[in-house]
Amino acid sequence: NAGVTQTPKFQVLKTGQSMTLQCAQDMNHEYMSWYRQDPGMGLRLIHYSVGAGITDQGEVPNGYNVSRSTTEDFPLRLLSAAPSQTSVYFCASSSKYGYTFGSGTRLTVV
Amino acid sequence: AQSVTQLDSQVPVFEEAPVELRCNYSSSVSVYLFWYVQYPNQGLQLLLKYLSGSTLVKGINGFEAEFNKSQTSFHLRKPSVHISDTAEYFCAVSEGGNDYKLSFGAGTTVTVRA
Repeated sequence: NAGVTQTPKFQVLKTGQSMTLQCAQDMNHEYMSWYRQDPGMGLRLIHYSVGAGITDQGEVPNGYNVSRSTTEDFPLRLLSAAPSQTSVYFCASSSKYGYTFGSGTRLTVV
Repeated sequence: AQSVTQLDSQVPVFEEAPVELRCNYSSSVSVYLFWYVQYPNQGLQLLLKYLSGSTLVKGINGFEAEFNKSQTSFHLRKPSVHISDTAEYFCAVSEGGNDYKLSFGAGTTVTVRA
């Protein structure tokens, strides 16, 4: 089925560890984005990309890096995990008129 | 930049009663408006969207929303809820054009009781 695939679904990290959250879409959308969801705060935009080779910062970019080497993939990297990055992360792929979200990655930093 | 305010953080409601979830937005340009639903431990699912045209938008599962430009609102309604409508609901806005960025409200948790 067409859509957005996120891996892993769950992850526990120790403070200071690094990891990459994977996101892939098969809808040939140019626009992809990463959000984090925290209780009482809705979803906040971390980084986004309007096409291969183009990325930009969203509302809460600190502590995260992204790259977009292909249209399909948009990985999110945590360089040195902190407890404040404990959250649920959603990747989204979109055309101008609609967004498709992945199923989310629940990350806990201890 | 746009912003979204969901006026109720929690809405308890009895089964078969109507429900309204309030959403106000601020933006200096024309907007696209969305409502998403998130069931427990799941991702986000689109309920409905307003892009242009009729201000009354019908979505899935019997939900509808009305776009009111003068009041900058996009309230979500359902005339009769079911237990299965228990979920968190998010209002979101984008400024259309070439700006695809979505801004979300903080969410409204709807709890339906028998």
